[in-house]
Amino acid sequence: DSGVTQTPKHLITATGQRVTLRCSPRSGDLSVYWYQQSLDQGLQFLIQYYNGEERAKGNILERFSAQQFPDLHSELNLSSLELGDSALYFCASSPFIGTASSYEQYFGPGTRLTVT
Amino acid sequence: GEDVEQSLFLSVREGDSSVINCTYTDSSSTYLYWYKQEPGAGLQLLTYIFSNMDMKQDQRLTVLLNKKDKHLSLRIADTQTGDSAIYFCAEKVPDSWGKFQFGAGTQVVVTP
Repeated sequence: DSGVTQTPKHLITATGQRVTLRCSPRSGDLSVYWYQQSLDQGLQFLIQYYNGEERAKGNILERFSAQQFPDLHSELNLSSLELGDSALYFCASSPFIGTASSYEQYFGPGTRLTVT
Repeated sequence: GEDVEQSLFLSVREGDSSVINCTYTDSSSTYLYWYKQEPGAGLQLLTYIFSNMDMKQDQRLTVLLNKKDKHLSLRIADTQTGDSAIYFCAEKVPDSWGKFQFGAGTQVVVTP
């Protein structure tokens, strides 16, 4: 158990809908990362937050947005869903920024999103 | 190249050594990582190496870094059936706060 929790574990929804994925980082970790894992694209970095502020952005679609709240939990919002958005979405957390150990990421179990 | 590259599959006999190779993208990358993913689970950090190191050993794991060739390898000594998993190498993108590039993963199958 990494200490990172994600809810829900599974989500099935229809095209065009909007969903919210939630992540609680390990106690004390200030950074949260979101990743999308699919068979054809592999593991793609989406976005990173540090202590409530966006710090790094990857290939995140405009239909996707995220935020990190004052209690450090994070939410990933996916809207206007398409079939191709079906994937595993992982959240990871790390302590702080500055040294290699600060970037040690602890991954949650993931949310499996199926868009039908 | 633009992608972190790994071979996709490795079969190894129990008790032998496994070597998983990775080519990363940026010669100025400072932090390089190896992660393990078991079926149905998230990624688990195995080890990392600074760019100012050539080698790092951690119990059965040995990481070798060749900065000139941008080549990273992970050696698992005395491979066990529990080592069957997908192994990802990752680099922190230089000059970014926390953007990471992951390889496609190498599926390691350990046979008795």
